[in-house]
Amino acid sequence: DAKTTQPNSMESNEEEPVHLPCNHSTISGTDYIHWYRQLPSQGPEYVIHGLTSNVNNRMASLAIAEDRKSSTLILHRATLRDAAVYYCILYSGGGADGLTFGKGTHLIIQP
Amino acid sequence: DAGVIQSPRHEVTEMGQEVTLRCKPISGHNSLFWYRQTMMRGLELLIYFNNNVPIDDSGMPEDRFSAKMPNASFSTLKIQPSEPRDSAVYFCASSPSSGRTDTQYFGPGTRLTVL
Repeated sequence: DAKTTQPNSMESNEEEPVHLPCNHSTISGTDYIHWYRQLPSQGPEYVIHGLTSNVNNRMASLAIAEDRKSSTLILHRATLRDAAVYYCILYSGGGADGLTFGKGTHLIIQP
Repeated sequence: DAGVIQSPRHEVTEMGQEVTLRCKPISGHNSLFWYRQTMMRGLELLIYFNNNVPIDDSGMPEDRFSAKMPNASFSTLKIQPSEPRDSAVYFCASSPSSGRTDTQYFGPGTRLTVL
């Protein structure tokens, strides 16, 4: 499976934007970039996904580099409820590999 | 929809006992996944079902682990006999299918402690 590299942890202040980076230099043409997050004591939850173009939804934005070797998850206005581990995952479907979770980025939000 | 339902939420058992974890996927979803999360290994896929058929069980750690999906609305993960190293949080997830853009919806997990 293509691998992703994320910082172990990041810290931000409440109500400020947060940019969570992810490197995936070995991404293949069929891989979608998915982001999930896991709040304390909960199961992972879907955040956003994209292929080539930047994507927006009610939770976040995803900025994808032109060469697709990196991407950035953007939380426009972080709240304390956004404190979680954020996982950047490459997924080409088929289900055989499921989602391959790395260690993710532990996002800490300061009030 | 109630989302993915897992039971029990917590299970404490003694080494050597049989453990059965249960999952009810979201109605209409064709794919079901079992994951395990530990501090050492993080989240890892155990097995994947598509239309109730096991497609890939290469992540199942040993023969002590088995999973079934007798119908579209129910799946079980059984450990027999259980060992302390099986202690982990087990998640069930379902998705509409297994396409590249399909979202997986995770249940709240079952925290298993084997003494």
